[in-house]
Amino acid sequence: GQQLNQSPQSMFIQEGEDVSMNCTSSSIFNTWLWYKQDPGEGPVLLIALYKAGELTSNGRLTAQFGITRKDSFLNISASIPSDVGIYFCAGQASGTYKYIFGTGTRLKVLA
Amino acid sequence: DAGVIQSPRHEVTEMGQEVTLRCKPISGHDYLFWYRQTMMRGLELLIYFNNNVPIDDSGMPEDRFSAKMPNASFSTLKIQPSEPRDSAVYFCASSFVDGGYTFGSGTRLTVV
Repeated sequence: GQQLNQSPQSMFIQEGEDVSMNCTSSSIFNTWLWYKQDPGEGPVLLIALYKAGELTSNGRLTAQFGITRKDSFLNISASIPSDVGIYFCAGQASGTYKYIFGTGTRLKVLA
Repeated sequence: DAGVIQSPRHEVTEMGQEVTLRCKPISGHDYLFWYRQTMMRGLELLIYFNNNVPIDDSGMPEDRFSAKMPNASFSTLKIQPSEPRDSAVYFCASSFVDGGYTFGSGTRLTVV
């Protein structure tokens, strides 16, 4: 099925560092969501974006809805060990209620 | 709210057997989704329902897969007959019309 491209696929960072990841699509989306998945669990919603250019924060997390509506970005500031997991973006196109999920970014934090 | 509840958490079955996965969505949510997650293909939408009616089943791999939602508080995903390539984690999610999805903890299916 259709997927969004996320980068990087994986990253190792030191505790305290900032993290940036992005998601791109060939299609325009009306809504972007960012999820985090811990091992053995389902994805948990972190941030929802509804307008092009929108910048939204949730604690140390900040996400942006790209101006072109074909991309989105997630930043994590001052990473901590519990940030470890897989981060997924999801996009919703006009005229449909279903979301397409990205390929995921696997984050590992070194204490 | 207890969230989206899936059962069983783990299922191991032999090839050819019928498998039924169960989901209880969050009360009041209008939409219910079934996803499959594998390393190779990531999260794939199989089917989704709106007010208990199947809206889009284009992601269902083949006729061996079927899903039902007999009422607002229960859905099943059935695989008959199961094959080793069906091994994956199956997630159920639910949502309001204008909200993000809430996922269950998933069912890890292993077909041997």
